[in-house]
Amino acid sequence: DGGITQSPKYLFRKEGQNVTLSCEQNLNHDAMYWYRQDPGQGLRLIYYSQIVNDFQKGDIAEGYSVSREKKESFPLTVTSAQKNPTAFYLCASSMGWDGGQGTEAFFGQGTRLTVV
Amino acid sequence: GQNIDQPTEMTATEGAIVQINCTYQTSGFNGLFWYQQHAGEAPTFLSYNVLDGLEEKGRFSSFLSRSKGYSYLLLKELQMKDSASYLCAYRTGGGNKLTFGTGTQLKVEL
Repeated sequence: DGGITQSPKYLFRKEGQNVTLSCEQNLNHDAMYWYRQDPGQGLRLIYYSQIVNDFQKGDIAEGYSVSREKKESFPLTVTSAQKNPTAFYLCASSMGWDGGQGTEAFFGQGTRLTVV
Repeated sequence: GQNIDQPTEMTATEGAIVQINCTYQTSGFNGLFWYQQHAGEAPTFLSYNVLDGLEEKGRFSSFLSRSKGYSYLLLKELQMKDSASYLCAYRTGGGNKLTFGTGTQLKVEL
């Protein structure tokens, strides 16, 4: 089955440690995204990538880093510089970048990160 | 903050019709999306509007008025499983960056 997979579902991190969240898709989608979701707030864009070996900062990129070495994979690293990392992280992918019908984003199941 | 607004909560009765409104302000508008999200799960795509008017998909319909910066999601024949958060999001420019509202938590009661 085609889809987008995030792992792990729950993740605990000690303050001061970096942690990497995995996102893999087998939908052959060009574009991939990372969003953060906090209670009472909408999804906020962290980073996005239109194509392999290219990525751009979203609205809240500080304290995060990404890579896009393969079309299928877009891992997100939450660094110790992120002041408030506890949140629900959602990865998404879409067929294209240029808009129009059929370019809606498909989301993974999310990773809930807790800093302890 | 985000310039997209939708009600925080709504309650409706099983079998009824409910309308969830969304207003937004942006330049370079390039489409309006609705997603459904059950607690702790991924958002799932419901509908997309880029031109004015009504798009119907089974029990769900979505309307857009670009001049008013307004959209609504209409859910008919409500079922208990429709209890979820409904997210409105607009796309700007030539890319696929989405700006999301905070979501409307819909509770369907017997």
